[in-house]
Amino acid sequence: GEDVEQSLFLSVREGDSSVINCTYTDSSSTYLYWYKQEPGAGLQLLTYIFSNMDMKQDQRLTVLLNKKDKHLSLRIADTQTGDSAIYFCAEMDNQGGKLIFGQGTELSVKP
Amino acid sequence: EAQVTQNPRYLITVTGKKLTVTCSQNMNHEYMSWYRQDPGLGLRQIYYSMNVEVTDKGDVPEGYKVSRKEKRNFPLILESPSPNQTSLYFCASSIPGGVSVFGPGTRLTVL
Repeated sequence: GEDVEQSLFLSVREGDSSVINCTYTDSSSTYLYWYKQEPGAGLQLLTYIFSNMDMKQDQRLTVLLNKKDKHLSLRIADTQTGDSAIYFCAEMDNQGGKLIFGQGTELSVKP
Repeated sequence: EAQVTQNPRYLITVTGKKLTVTCSQNMNHEYMSWYRQDPGLGLRQIYYSMNVEVTDKGDVPEGYKVSRKEKRNFPLILESPSPNQTSLYFCASSIPGGVSVFGPGTRLTVL
């Protein structure tokens, strides 16, 4: 069945770049998403990418999509302490009714 | 403001005492879903609805019921809650194939 995998933890120093990786199995997904969840808060859509794109850049965020390897990554440039959160990768199932989430990567930014 | 609202935000209850978590959206979205979030597992879909009076099971429907009598509302019902339903619950809505908007979450503890 459909599956999305992420590593659980990432720790970086303030000012460094962070790269959060994700692999997925459903090659028919039209959109792939990155959500951010700050401590005690709900889910905030960070960015998304259409499956026919290789890259999308939005200020400090860069999303790279490798469809052949079914690999998605989120790069955060100049990581700040305010970026500390859990980041979820998600794909939409092929019927458009369900988001399939990875386990979430907890990003810890040290001053 | 376009949003998804959930009530209550926090709930502590005891095993077997029926409860309902309400969800309402003001964006005229057709699709609505319930997810539960557990550490290390990401978010998993409980139930979803593609339109009024149309509901279907997600990945973890056991112990839950839903109804969709009106387009804007999608309540989640736990007829006889058990401790393994202690979790963080999110409601979401979207147009078909569109970006999901999430509610703020309901943290449920079942003693």
